[in-house]
Amino acid sequence: QKEVEQNSGPLSVPEGAIASLNCTYSDRGSQSFFWYRQYSGKSPELIMFIYSNGDKEDGRFTAQLNKASQYVSLLIRDSQPSDSATYLCAYVVGNTPLVFGKGTRLSVIA
Amino acid sequence: GAVVSQHPSRVICKSGTSVKIECRSLDFQATTMFWYRQFPKKSLMLMATSNEGSKATYEQGVEKDKFLINHASLTLSTLTVTSAHPEDSSFYICSARIAGGSYEQYFGPGTRLTVT
Repeated sequence: QKEVEQNSGPLSVPEGAIASLNCTYSDRGSQSFFWYRQYSGKSPELIMFIYSNGDKEDGRFTAQLNKASQYVSLLIRDSQPSDSATYLCAYVVGNTPLVFGKGTRLSVIA
Repeated sequence: GAVVSQHPSRVICKSGTSVKIECRSLDFQATTMFWYRQFPKKSLMLMATSNEGSKATYEQGVEKDKFLINHASLTLSTLTVTSAHPEDSSFYICSARIAGGSYEQYFGPGTRLTVT
C-alpha cells in the first residue's frame, strides 16, 4: 500500500528559526521525492525535489533523503512569516501519479 | 521552475451547462498531465491522468462521461465538466510532468468553479 506519513501540525516556529518538516514513506520502490508548498486557496508550488540519498540545498531550503530509513525531510532556515503554509511531501514510482502526504501546516510567528 | 497556466482562473456557470478548463505547459513538453480537485481545507484529490494522444485514466469514483479530458498536444490538456451541478463546485487544478528525467511535476494556478 502506498502511504506517506506527515505530521499534520500545526508546527509553530519563531521568525528566524529553522523549521524542520518530516515525512516517511512506505514504498521502497520510490524514486523521486518532492516538497510542495501550498498557501490557502492557492495551488501547490514545487519548492524542492530529491532522488539521491543525502542533502540537497537551494537557498534557505534543504531537502534530506534517507532511502534506507524511508525518510525525507525539509529544513527551512531563517524562517519568515511568508513561509507560513501547508507543506506537502510526495513521491513517485516511475511515470505514475504522485503519492502525497496530507501535509504539515507551518506557522512562522513574527 | 517550469510554468503551467490554466484558464479560466475563475468561472461561474448555471446548473446543466458545461465548462471547459484549459491547462498549458508554457515552457516545456508534458507527455503526462494530471487533473485534481480540492475542496476547502481538504487534501488534493486526483481525478485523472492524461497522456498525450491517448485516453485519460480516471480514478475510481470519477465519472469519465462527466469529466471529459482531452490531451491533444504535448502542451495542452483540457477538462470539460459536462452538465455541471452545484456539487461540482470546487477548485480544479491541473499539473504537468516534464518528459523524462526525475518526474518533476508542476501545478497550474487552479480554476475555481462555482455552479449556481
